[in-house]
Amino acid sequence: DTGVSQNPRHKITKRGQNVTFRCDPISEHNRLYWYRQTLGQGPEFLTYFQNEAQLEKSRLLSDRFSAERPKGSFSTLEIQRTEQGDSAMYLCASSLVAGLGRHEQYFGPGTRLTVT
Amino acid sequence: GDSVTQMEGPVTLSEEAFLTINCTYTATGYPSLFWYVQYPGEGLQLLLKATKADDKGSNKGFEATYRKETTSFHLEKGSVQVSDSAVYFCALSVASGSARQLTFGSGTQLTVLP
Repeated sequence: DTGVSQNPRHKITKRGQNVTFRCDPISEHNRLYWYRQTLGQGPEFLTYFQNEAQLEKSRLLSDRFSAERPKGSFSTLEIQRTEQGDSAMYLCASSLVAGLGRHEQYFGPGTRLTVT
Repeated sequence: GDSVTQMEGPVTLSEEAFLTINCTYTATGYPSLFWYVQYPGEGLQLLLKATKADDKGSNKGFEATYRKETTSFHLEKGSVQVSDSAVYFCALSVASGSARQLTFGSGTQLTVLP
């Protein structure tokens, strides 16, 4: 079990640029989540995938944000035309959902985005 | 909607002191409750969980009991160590929704002094 990994760990970009983050979940996990965490706050849910299908998006996910999970393995989160308000830590988590059992989410270290 | 309210920090304690971090919740369904810990420079780690009323979650000397009557899940440890210094997050997940996403509190920064 290598854990959830995220790349890059840090990203500094200028306002208006596009950025893309990658998340590699635990290999047997079928569910993948993206959260956003701003300074001094807890993480907030953005979206999740069951295998390759994106099943839910929160209101926080504006149309400048897009996420994919091709082939149900790694996922990417792209932010287009970044704004200073997008500066945050972007967290990825994965879990194994099987039947009605309670499932735990395992988090990656996050990608810290700074928009200047 | 679902929400979690936890004790504001920062909390500073001396080594071997007793720790309580309060957490209360509001949920539309029947939630599972969690405490996550975030050490400096690291990702969130699940510390303990409880899935039904009166369950007690425990790990590494930390405990929390799921109290449905008071909608609370307070975190306790009898004797903290310097290595417990971290940010602690209370969270819930409602099983009735398909997403089962976590709803977090704002976190409590704990510093333990030697």
